[in-house]
Amino acid sequence: SQQGEEDPQALSIQEGENATMNCSYKTSINNLQWYRQNSGRGLVHLILIRSNEREKHSGRLRVTLDTSKKSSSLLITASRAADTASYFCATGYRNAGGTSYGKLTFGQGTILTVHP
Amino acid sequence: NAGVTQTPKFQVLKTGQSMTLQCAQDMNHEYMSWYRQDPGMGLRLIHYSVGAGITDQGEVPNGYNVSRSTTEDFPLRLLSAAPSQTSVYFCASSLSGSSYNEQFFGPGTRLTVL
Repeated sequence: SQQGEEDPQALSIQEGENATMNCSYKTSINNLQWYRQNSGRGLVHLILIRSNEREKHSGRLRVTLDTSKKSSSLLITASRAADTASYFCATGYRNAGGTSYGKLTFGQGTILTVHP
Repeated sequence: NAGVTQTPKFQVLKTGQSMTLQCAQDMNHEYMSWYRQDPGMGLRLIHYSVGAGITDQGEVPNGYNVSRSTTEDFPLRLLSAAPSQTSVYFCASSLSGSSYNEQFFGPGTRLTVL
């Protein structure tokens, strides 16, 4: 079953506005990552936040993580038409043996449309 | 670097046919994986490998085989294609098996099984 659930499923905004996407997950994680997928392309890594971090920034991206609520949000500030894409959260976790094998569990994604 | 490459880009199969989806990376990554992406389902892990000669099953392995004879290549074999395997397939790689590493994705193979 999917670990991450994104909300909303689709978001439509005007250029210059901020876009906020949320991700909820079910089990304990050791990190959460956000990826972007342009139409017809592969996924591209945006940012990783560790379970002991609460907030992280990268350019116009701001990610928050609330492990008590098992949720994360991705904020894109001053959006551009080029930000139009699907955005996925992916959770990494320790397996039963205590290692952190590279398995990531992806959510269903948020489709962001930024109108010029 | 070419990164992660996948061939073919598109493929149409008839039910019962077999085929191999190719994946190669030139970044000397230990970890490679195959996902399928279906509408409304996100990405689901099919098989993964933590190094040459080592593979393991992911979330949806049935109907697929993998092998990893070299660090660079990680082919995915469909043994007897079924319409339920119509999907977009992505290969990904990362530096090591740690889940802290970012994954690099190929451009995908769009497969239709009639």
